[in-house]
Amino acid sequence: AQTVTQSQPEMSVQEAETVTLSCTYDTSESDYYLFWYKQPPSRQMILVIRQEAYKQQNATENRFSVNFQKAAKSFSLKISDSQLGDAAMYFCAYRTMNSGNTPLVFGKGTRLSVIA
Amino acid sequence: DGGITQSPKYLFRKEGQNVTLSCEQNLNHDAMYWYRQDPGQGLRLIYYSQIVNDFQKGDIAEGYSVSREKKESFPLTVTSAQKNPTAFYLCASSKPGRLYGYTFGSGTRLTVV
Repeated sequence: AQTVTQSQPEMSVQEAETVTLSCTYDTSESDYYLFWYKQPPSRQMILVIRQEAYKQQNATENRFSVNFQKAAKSFSLKISDSQLGDAAMYFCAYRTMNSGNTPLVFGKGTRLSVIA
Repeated sequence: DGGITQSPKYLFRKEGQNVTLSCEQNLNHDAMYWYRQDPGQGLRLIYYSQIVNDFQKGDIAEGYSVSREKKESFPLTVTSAQKNPTAFYLCASSKPGRLYGYTFGSGTRLTVV
């Protein structure tokens, strides 16, 4: 079974600075999808960014980008120009490409604090 | 607007009572999922359903039950057999195409006293 590990339970960043959240995963598959979700204090889960494993180019969404290292099974999230609204729990998730609407596997999350 | 609705937002029950959490979606998504969230534990899969009248156990199904009689609805019952039911429960749905991930509901906080 696939597993997702987020080794940083908590992180903090100064406003306007850059922070990187780590995520590693364990899989024997060659094709899959990876996701980062944000959960602000409202607890509403929001998709931040996604990556297809067969694409070498790292995904980018405005201030959010990933560093996808397939061989190392690493999928870190970089937040540039951090804003107070970025304070949240961040979850990394894995989804197989194999068949059906298989469930996502989530890491335990990283709580990000943004310091004004 | 299409979306996924969980109700109620907060729920209180006495120990030993069964309780049902509602999850409704009007996105025409085939698959629906229930997760439990506890501090420091991330999201753990309880049950999921890929099609009407069919569902599968997740990692922590003991003490829970579900039904999927309609495409739009996937209610979760927390039974008295669940030893630690107090938690935040998230429902999600997924459209065809595994790239798209999930659409989540806003969650239900269940407190058992």
